[in-house]
Amino acid sequence: DGGITQSPKYLFRKEGQNVTLSCEQNLNHDAMYWYRQDPGQGLRLIYYSQIVNDFQKGDIAEGYSVSREKKESFPLTVTSAQKNPTAFYLCASARLGQGNEQYFGPGTRLTVT
Amino acid sequence: EDQVTQSPEALRLQEGESSSLNCSYTVSGLRGLFWYRQDPGKGPEFLFTLYSAGEEKEKERLKATLTKKESFLHITAPKPEDSATYLCAVTGNEKLTFGTGTRLTIIP
Repeated sequence: DGGITQSPKYLFRKEGQNVTLSCEQNLNHDAMYWYRQDPGQGLRLIYYSQIVNDFQKGDIAEGYSVSREKKESFPLTVTSAQKNPTAFYLCASARLGQGNEQYFGPGTRLTVT
Repeated sequence: EDQVTQSPEALRLQEGESSSLNCSYTVSGLRGLFWYRQDPGKGPEFLFTLYSAGEEKEKERLKATLTKKESFLHITAPKPEDSATYLCAVTGNEKLTFGTGTRLTIIP
């Protein structure tokens, strides 16, 4: 059963703590993406990776870090430097080529207090 | 810079009442326009990709069309289960730019 999994579904952290969100895909897609979704705003790109061991900053990368050690996995770390970390985080993957349709995971809702 | 504007922000329809959602865009060299459906608290579900003006795609009660400046998502005889937020996105390179979505509510 192919798809994208994100864990956990809900995550609670105290201010000042780093937290890592998991994203795994078994679709054999080359590219993976992290987005943040806030009420009333479109999805905003945090980081993306088109190949193992390489990744690029998106529009709002400050306060976040990623790694891409395996094709299937693209974890996102929300660091204490991120000023407004509470949000809904979405991971996506795509097979590179015409169109590049991105397929999304179920999301992780992070709450930092 | 790529831009996507969706209208209306919210739309309430009676069951069976057909309507259209609009997605206006500016992009340098369109490589694809995408429609997604998103239910509350869930990730977006891919619906359609349109590549060039004049193209149309259909899926059940939904039909997406594309011109050089905008796309429409037509919904025919909607049912309550069609209630969701519909997102539009465009790409001219390896990144997608999303609109803020149209929240569609179908009243039984």
